[in-house]
Amino acid sequence: QAQLVQSGSELKEPGASVKVSCKASGYTFSNYGMNWVRQAPGQGLEWMGWINTDSGKTTYVQGFTGRFVFSFDTSASTAYLEISSLKAGDTAVYFCARKIRRIYGMDVWGQGTTVIVSS
Amino acid sequence: QTVVTQEPSLTVSPGGTVTLTCASSTGAVTSGYSPNWFQQKPGQAPRALIYSTSDKHSWTPARFSGSLLGGKAALTLSDVQPEDEAEYYCLLYSGDQGVFGGGTKLTVL
Repeated sequence: QAQLVQSGSELKEPGASVKVSCKASGYTFSNYGMNWVRQAPGQGLEWMGWINTDSGKTTYVQGFTGRFVFSFDTSASTAYLEISSLKAGDTAVYFCARKIRRIYGMDVWGQGTTVIVSS
Repeated sequence: QTVVTQEPSLTVSPGGTVTLTCASSTGAVTSGYSPNWFQQKPGQAPRALIYSTSDKHSWTPARFSGSLLGGKAALTLSDVQPEDEAEYYCLLYSGDQGVFGGGTKLTVL
């Protein structure tokens, strides 16, 4: 069955960059887009955007433009979220979630990656 | 930007029925908003329950159902079980942009 496995927790200093990976298995990677969702400590879910893993087209929601970049490697069946110029406010759990094919929504979720930004 | 509003908290007795709602600041929620519902328990990743207003995933228990109710998206839990205690989030789409609601903390007591 479809599964998403994310990379481990990260502790970074302000100003550094981080790259979170999301490895897919159990399905054809390029047939399903990938969403990214942020959850700050004690807060709700925030939809960051998604990447079409066939065309490479990206959609970012306001507030996640500029320092946030979605990418993927089809040969590795892996999607990536890179965040640059990290700030304390980026401290959160980041989830990848597979886009349901041909409609809006998400079905399979990764386990989440905790990113802590602290000096 | 669209604001999506959910009840902050609800309480239900085991075996009871409860309805959670999801409203949009832009007006009545329709099927065009592609309402999705997710369940999240503490320390866990969210789990998808409902998509396209009322469609269930293969793993969604039959006691969960989605609908449109009074201009809002709704998630109804019937015969509530203790394990249904969790945070529930709705997700609405405007074009290809999604917005989560703030979540409803459901207590089973």
